[in-house]
Amino acid sequence: SYELTQPPSVSVSPGQTARITCSGDSLPVQFAYWYQQKPGQAPVLVISKDSGTSSGIPGRFSGSKSGTTATLTISGVQPEDEADYYCQSADNSGTYPVVFGGGTKLTVL
Amino acid sequence: QVQLQESGPGLVKPSETLSLTCTVSGALITSDYWSWIRQPPGKGLEWIGNIFDSWNTNYNLSLKSRVTMSIDTSKNQFSLRLSSVVVADTAVYYCARGPYDFCSAGSCYFDYWGQGTPVTVSS
Repeated sequence: SYELTQPPSVSVSPGQTARITCSGDSLPVQFAYWYQQKPGQAPVLVISKDSGTSSGIPGRFSGSKSGTTATLTISGVQPEDEADYYCQSADNSGTYPVVFGGGTKLTVL
Repeated sequence: QVQLQESGPGLVKPSETLSLTCTVSGALITSDYWSWIRQPPGKGLEWIGNIFDSWNTNYNLSLKSRVTMSIDTSKNQFSLRLSSVVVADTAVYYCARGPYDFCSAGSCYFDYWGQGTPVTVSS
């Protein structure tokens, strides 16, 4: 199977920068996408195609990728950014067209 | 504005078949790929599969033997059937849209989601 690996949790104070990583062997050739999910709500797309901020998402959210690691960066974290974040991609063989990372709980201290 | 709404029974008995329908508004169901994604209580997201039309479906290998998806263009709806359910199939089930250009090229993502519907498998 193909896996995307995320840290289970990240904690930051308000105003600081949060970075959430996602590692996967196919990421050099496949786009990474990021979703934010708040309790009791459906996920919301925040970053598409590695680094494109989705419509309506604040500019403090950005994405990047280097080799086998994609990173979601939240600059100047706000209390309302506390949520679970999931990366999503695909393997390069087509066997696993959609795979989600395990999710990262962002806590704003 | 694209909207998706899941519907179906909230309780299914073990060994029976789970059936859900997603009604799409604000978009033609013939234009994009449509997925089912689930989330067990307290756990992460799991993609179940997607459908473009009756001849183009893709299923998660781990669920493939039990999953069937179908599409009804006259009602702008698509459906999920998951057979022989067990307690571990208890989850919130979401339907979501995947843009055609990216899903057809093997890089699917999800820009619109339904609110999700909880399904419990229990006798």
